Amino acid sequence: ETGVTQTPRHLVMGMTNKKSLKCEQHLGHNAMYWYKQSAKKPLELMFVYNFKEQTENNSVPSRFSPECPNSSHLFLHLHTLQPEDSALYLCASSQEDRGDTEAFFGQGTRLTVV
Amino acid sequence: KNEVEQSPQNLTAQEGEFITINCSYSVGISALHWLQQHPGGGIVSLFMLSSGKKKHGRLIATINIQEKHSSLHITASHPRDSAVYICAVRDHNGNQFYFGTGTSLTVIP
Repeated sequence: ETGVTQTPRHLVMGMTNKKSLKCEQHLGHNAMYWYKQSAKKPLELMFVYNFKEQTENNSVPSRFSPECPNSSHLFLHLHTLQPEDSALYLCASSQEDRGDTEAFFGQGTRLTVV
Repeated sequence: KNEVEQSPQNLTAQEGEFITINCSYSVGISALHWLQQHPGGGIVSLFMLSSGKKKHGRLIATINIQEKHSSLHITASHPRDSAVYICAVRDHNGNQFYFGTGTSLTVIP
């Protein structure tokens, strides 16, 4: 248990569906991240929220829409996804007072788009 | 080319063997992380290093800042060490992490 909880753990959705991934951290961290992990590829940073403000968006398609209502919760809203979006989506959090802080990861959501 | 390169990509060892996984990076960093990912997908942070060496149980991590290289060593390896080990560095310019593709370790009883 790392203090970062993701739900659901597994999700199968059709290309016309709308779903949301949820991430929750109880570590008092002020920054949260969404990562995508595809097979045989490094983790790709998707979004960064720092003090609830989005500070990074790595050219992620608009079919992925993040939401950070408070410093403990982060959502990733999904709509009209493509099969190539099937991957493990990982949430992480860290304390951004310094540049050398540790990131804590959730267990991930295994997403399959059919 | 990825900013973080790991070797080997795959590693199979007999229980009890000493294991070394290497990581080289090309960017200026504030810290380097070694992560462990089990088949279920969850990632656990093993070490965060900015210099020198750290030890935790049977795991040892070293970093050479001048050579931009880090190693993760596992002594007396055990089947429960079987996992993917990922090297990640934090860019000193911001809050960007760069990740290696991981080293898949299998320890055979």
